[in-house]
Amino acid sequence: NAGVTQTPKFQVLKTGQSMTLQCAQDMNHEYMSWYRQDPGMGLRLIHYSVGAGITDQGEVPNGYNVSRSTTEDFPLRLLSAAPSQTSVYFCASSTRPHGANVLTFGAGSRLTVL
Amino acid sequence: GESVGLHLPTLSVQEGDNSIINCAYSNSASDYFIWYKQESGKGPQFIIDIRSNMDKRQGQRVTVLLNKTVKHLSLQIAATQPGDSAVYFCAEIENTGFQKLVFGTGTRLLVSP
Repeated sequence: NAGVTQTPKFQVLKTGQSMTLQCAQDMNHEYMSWYRQDPGMGLRLIHYSVGAGITDQGEVPNGYNVSRSTTEDFPLRLLSAAPSQTSVYFCASSTRPHGANVLTFGAGSRLTVL
Repeated sequence: GESVGLHLPTLSVQEGDNSIINCAYSNSASDYFIWYKQESGKGPQFIIDIRSNMDKRQGQRVTVLLNKTVKHLSLQIAATQPGDSAVYFCAEIENTGFQKLVFGTGTRLLVSP
């Protein structure tokens, strides 16, 4: 049982480049989300999805796109990377999007934008 | 892989001591709270949760206390072990019908043998 799998674990980009962070879960969770973690700040929600075909913006969505074509996968796209997007990114999933829930997190993807 | 910066509040304890990690939350309408543990290079991991209609909940070696009057949450770890060394986050959520978990900035716990 792999849980939530993120790839790549590390990535270095130049300003203006694009890339996709992959996230896959094998727990049949309806809800998936992306967070970024920066020094001195709590995890901040970028985008989330309550099911296949449904996505919505979180607290810090600018510069990121998402799609949810299947229950299992929730990729995060950086269209034109900026140094401000240097961060550690976490994908998470849970069984219930509303009310009480417990998120299962991936191991994280460390992105550096030069 | 370091996941958080160098400026986190840090609690240093000896192995076997009891640890208390505190968290102030911001939203008086929050009705569900979670503590997460994050080891270096890993994602946050669920420890324990508590609803706002409770003021205490116990797990295995961990206890969460909730004081809604002053919007304060604490995590107590009994007989702290070196494996407890990690960053601990509290998170709050208002049960408004959509997902919005708000995380605190975290406290680093260092356990010396």
